[in-house]
Amino acid sequence: GDSVTQMEGPVTLSEEACLTINCTYTATGYPSLFWYVQYPGEGLQLLLKATKADDKGSNKGFEATYRKETTSFHLEKGSVQVSDSAVYFCALTAAGGTSYGKLTFGQGTILTVHP
Amino acid sequence: EAQVTQNPRYLITVTGKKLTVTCSQNMNHEYMSWYRQDPGLGLRQIYYSMNVEVTDKGDVPEGYKVSRKEKRNFPLILESPSPNQTSLYFCASRDGTAHNQPQHFGDGTRLSIL
Repeated sequence: GDSVTQMEGPVTLSEEACLTINCTYTATGYPSLFWYVQYPGEGLQLLLKATKADDKGSNKGFEATYRKETTSFHLEKGSVQVSDSAVYFCALTAAGGTSYGKLTFGQGTILTVHP
Repeated sequence: EAQVTQNPRYLITVTGKKLTVTCSQNMNHEYMSWYRQDPGLGLRQIYYSMNVEVTDKGDVPEGYKVSRKEKRNFPLILESPSPNQTSLYFCASRDGTAHNQPQHFGDGTRLSIL
């Protein structure tokens, strides 16, 4: 079945450091890929998405590129802020089959940014 | 404001006492679903609904029921809750069935079953 694997956390960085959170996936066909962010006490918010190979999603300084050859969708940011502290989830929805657009999530990566 | 609203946000209860978590969305979305979030496991789908009166099991449906009598509402029912259902629950909705559309999530319901 479909699966998503994220790098183990937690990740602790100083403000203005570079961030990379690795995400790889297993899916048949051409899934859509998403990064969601969960701030403390809140629900999940869509951060960015990519729906086909070589697409780059971007939002709030974060970027991720859909790499079909390496089945990866790594999240990057050049300079993190304290306000970026949150849990980040990589997820996919399969293009077909009987899943009807179910989101398959990675286990989440906790990011803490210190001043 | 477009939103998915869950109630209650927090609940502590005892084994075997039936409970319902309500979910309502104001975006006229056809697709709704329930997930549970557990440490180290991410979110896993419990049930989903393609439209009114159409529901189906997700990956972890045991011990849960749902109904979809109206388009906007999708309650999650625990007929006889057990401690292993202690978790953080999220309701989500999406416009249509296109797999490339993102889902919109509620703020979550934290259930503790003693």
